[in-house]
Formats: sequence, structure tokens, C-alpha cells
Amino acid sequence: AQSVTQPDIHITVSEGASLELRCNYSYGATPYLFWYVQSPGQGLQLLLKYFSGDTLVQGIKGFEAEFKRSQSSFNLRKPSVHWSDAAEYFCAVGAGESNYQLIWGAGTKLIIKP
Amino acid sequence: GAGVSQSPSNKVTEKGKDVELRCDPISGHTALYWYRQSLGQGLEFLIYFQGNSAPDKSGLPSDRFSAERTGGSVSTLTIQRTQQEDSAVYLCASSSGRVAFFGQGTRLTVV
Repeated sequence: AQSVTQPDIHITVSEGASLELRCNYSYGATPYLFWYVQSPGQGLQLLLKYFSGDTLVQGIKGFEAEFKRSQSSFNLRKPSVHWSDAAEYFCAVGAGESNYQLIWGAGTKLIIKP
Repeated sequence: GAGVSQSPSNKVTEKGKDVELRCDPISGHTALYWYRQSLGQGLEFLIYFQGNSAPDKSGLPSDRFSAERTGGSVSTLTIQRTQQEDSAVYLCASSSGRVAFFGQGTRLTVV
């Protein structure tokens, strides 16, 4: 069955430090991969996506993610976090060619230390 | 509209009452999704509409939950005889391809 795993429920980093949020997926075919961010009391905003091509994708707010097929991973990175990055981050996998259903990870809450 | 619009933004209801939550998707988007997000939890899929196809209702937790989408546009999620465990944020999203755009959600509190 298709699944998405975000192994870290919470991550705390200092402002200015680098960040990596992990995402592993289980899916038989070429996946469509997404990272969304949810700020407190808000809906979800798309950070970046991977459909095909270059496995390193750039997103908004200085985030990037790398698709590694051999590791079934799509980890999100940022070289230097800002206090405004404190939010919850969700990884998702698109399932199927004609089905736009998304399989979601449980989310990782990012806490920024001043 | 410019984005996905959900109303109301907050709803407090008494246990046992029925509630209707509305989602107005981005114009032209053929797919519409409803999710539920309980406090501190991830996204729980509820229902998915795609064009004129029969909706995927596999995520609805009980027969108290139903949803419809009129004219391929606005959708209403109805919860009958609300229970306290229905308290959550209900998120709607729409898409015309693979990228889903989310509304701000409706926070439902059952007292």
C-alpha cells in the first residue's frame, strides 16, 4: 500500500541554523512528490513539488528538496532558518496517473529557538 | 475567485445538531477534496470529487457525514447529529492538475 512517513514529529533548530526534514514514501511507480507548509491557524501552502526531471527542486521561501529514488526519499532542506519558518510541514505523494489523490505524511512541527 | 474559500471560518455547535460547511473552489478546478485535521494531527482524507465522476467517499468516517458538489463547483460537507469527536478543522482543497490549493479551513467545535 502507498504510504508516506515523516519520522520526526517535532524538530527544534536555532535561528540561522540549517534544516533538513525527512520524508520517505512507499509507492510502486514514479511518484509525484510535494511539500506543504501550514502556519498556525492557516491552510496549507505549497512549498515545492517534484514531477520529473532534475531531482533537486527549488521552492518558495528558500526551501529545496531532493528526490532520491534509491532511498525512496524526498527530504526538505533550508540552509538557514528564520523565526518565521516555525510551522508544520507536510510531505505528500500523488498516487496514480488519472487519480489526483494525495497520500499524506503525519507532519513535522518545526520549532525555532532564538 | 482568487483562492479556495471556505465558510464559516469558525463554527460552534451543540452536540446533536447538524452543520453544513461550504467550500468554494478556484474557478475551473475539476478536483475538490475535503480533509479533516484534528488537534495536532495530520490530514485525514474524507472525500474527493473529480469532474463528473462518482466521488470517492472512502474516507468518510460514518454515515453522519455526507458531501455534495453542485454544478461541478461549490461543495457542501454536512455532518448530521454532531458529536464531540467531530471537533476539528475541516480543510477543503481544489486542483486542476496535480497541485492542490487549500482553503483556510473551518474550525468546528462541538460542545
